[in-house]
Amino acid sequence: GAVVSQHPSRVICKSGTSVKIECRSLDFQATTMFWYRQFPKQSLMLMATSNEGSKATYEQGVEKDKFLINHASLTLSTLTVTSAHPEDSSFYICSAPTGSNYGYTFGSGTRLTVV
Amino acid sequence: AQKITQTQPGMFVQEKEAVTLDCTYDTSDPSYGLFWYKQPSSGEMIFLIYQGSYDQQNATEGRYSLNFQKARKSANLVISASQLGDSAMYFCAMREGESGAGSYQLTFGKGTKLSVIP
Repeated sequence: GAVVSQHPSRVICKSGTSVKIECRSLDFQATTMFWYRQFPKQSLMLMATSNEGSKATYEQGVEKDKFLINHASLTLSTLTVTSAHPEDSSFYICSAPTGSNYGYTFGSGTRLTVV
Repeated sequence: AQKITQTQPGMFVQEKEAVTLDCTYDTSDPSYGLFWYKQPSSGEMIFLIYQGSYDQQNATEGRYSLNFQKARKSANLVISASQLGDSAMYFCAMREGESGAGSYQLTFGKGTKLSVIP
């Protein structure tokens, strides 16, 4: 089945630094990637939608200059959290539609802690 | 208005018993899909079951079944013969628009934490 590999699974960074999260589609071409953020004990909230070769679409309230999304190829989408602050600590997870009815495959998620 | 409503923040069920997790949805799109996912403490999202808006029969996948009541806009998940490994967060989600006709995001409910008691 369609697999999205997400790395890193956990990262701890210092406040003010940047962190890059990668999602790779291993056996299919992901023209679209959804990026979600999940705070503890809360739901998944869509941050942005990336499409290969074009600019990402950000949801209202999400700072595009802070959360840089790049989707330069059909198999790789990245989310860079720039100048991270403790309030950016969260669980970030990507998801790609695979074309079938229930074809959304999720990455395994990245737990980001900013200290 | 919330598109997906899960009114049960937490549920307890005895092992081997059945449990129903509630989900109501709101959409004006005639084409939509409803999903249930399980999220254990590791964070991964595990797909459980899918129901399309035009599906005539309720979806079933092993111990999981979806009680789809279109007129009431509800899509409750029924887990039969609960197991200790079923303890997790459960999310109901909706895709508005036809599958394969474009890339539509999922909208998630707030989730229900299910605890299975031995």
